[in-house]
Amino acid sequence: DIQMTQSPSTLSASVGDRVTITCRASQSFTNWLAWYQQKPGKAPKVLIYEVSTVESGVPTRFSGSGSGTEFTLTISNLQPDDFATYYCQQYNSYPRTFGQGTKVEI
Amino acid sequence: EVQLVESGGGLVQPGGSLRLSCAGSGFPFRTYWMSWIRQLPGRGLEWVANIRDDGREIHYVDSVKGRFTISRDDAKSSLYLQMNSLRAEDTALYYCARDRGRGFDIYGQGTMVTVSS
Repeated sequence: DIQMTQSPSTLSASVGDRVTITCRASQSFTNWLAWYQQKPGKAPKVLIYEVSTVESGVPTRFSGSGSGTEFTLTISNLQPDDFATYYCQQYNSYPRTFGQGTKVEI
Repeated sequence: EVQLVESGGGLVQPGGSLRLSCAGSGFPFRTYWMSWIRQLPGRGLEWVANIRDDGREIHYVDSVKGRFTISRDDAKSSLYLQMNSLRAEDTALYYCARDRGRGFDIYGQGTMVTVSS
């Protein structure tokens, strides 16, 4: 199984900040990584797939990069609506696995 | 409107069974892989199982193999998860999700399963 480890677990930030979340995989792979945002009491929402492709309707302040075993989600100009928990997820192999989540708080 | 609606959750004793259902609408259900994903209370996400659009390929996470069975009825645009031999650690909010093969883009609202005596 590919283990996905996110850092940090919690991130304190302010409106307008640039925020970076890292996701490290236990095995190397290319392309097959997605990022999700989840707010309390809501289902996850896909933000990015294939490492860097932004989902339709998602603001362009969200971006993704990386390859191999290290991937990043960057939120530029953090907005009040962005305070949430973020998850990475690999779909390179089975079982599909998620990172443990990064909570972005004020 | 593209929508998934889960049902069938509830309280069950350890060793018991439940069958979850997920009704899809607003999209060509029969052309998509579908997945079940669960979220333990206050915890992260765990992918449970998926099924190919034609139903001929299925995958499970190891912790549910032999106990859970995923299935679909495309005539009813419905996805199912038969859960047997339930354990306390299966307690979670269960989501069905549309699986594009590049991430899960549509989720239902979730149905809660609680395994407790």
